[in-house]
Amino acid sequence: DQQVKQNSPSLSVQEGRISILNCDYTNSMFDYFLWYKKYPAEGPTFLISISSIKDKNEDGRFTVFLNKSAKHLSLHIVPSQPGDSAVYFCAASGWRDDKIIFGKGTRLHILP
Amino acid sequence: EAQVTQNPRYLITVTGKKLTVTCSQNMNHEYMSWYRQDPGLGLRQIYYSMNVEVTDKGDVPEGYKVSRKEKRNFPLILESPSPNQTSLYFCASSFNSNSPLHFGNGTRLTVT
Repeated sequence: DQQVKQNSPSLSVQEGRISILNCDYTNSMFDYFLWYKKYPAEGPTFLISISSIKDKNEDGRFTVFLNKSAKHLSLHIVPSQPGDSAVYFCAASGWRDDKIIFGKGTRLHILP
Repeated sequence: EAQVTQNPRYLITVTGKKLTVTCSQNMNHEYMSWYRQDPGLGLRQIYYSMNVEVTDKGDVPEGYKVSRKEKRNFPLILESPSPNQTSLYFCASSFNSNSPLHFGNGTRLTVT
């Protein structure tokens, strides 16, 4: 049973436009959500997070939105840059246990 | 420099030959975890540890063992590796399960 779902395996966006990556979750006990970015031959690196008490968190070009009623979060990247081409993982954790669950990832291609 | 160090980066072995992948962090983190990354399956948690001498199963613990005798080290042990354990493995650490993970650069394991 997949608790964190990233339904788009890949996404292509023109440089300078907005990239929107989506993530859905099924476990209502999750209360902390994170996005990680991964380049080939490297480990994932933390990008941005949001706690369930908020519905938006912004850090420079990156904004994460959380819709708790829909169990959905999204990562917006504006404007998209070539260096943003990577695999993006959504992750979630909850107060009930200490597992950190990742989605399958979305590969983002920024087109020149 | 704050980091998570995994060794080796690449390992080729044969079925049944016990192996250990080491992981060390220098950030005094309480939480450590092992993940495996497989095509189409994303990052799946194998084991995690909240603190010294405390370890718990993740979503795919079968065929793996871990130990946490010291805060900084969290080795992953495969007592009898099988070909279905061929994968890319990541060790990660954080202050707790509700803070961003710092990942190592990965260990690519091939079991023939």
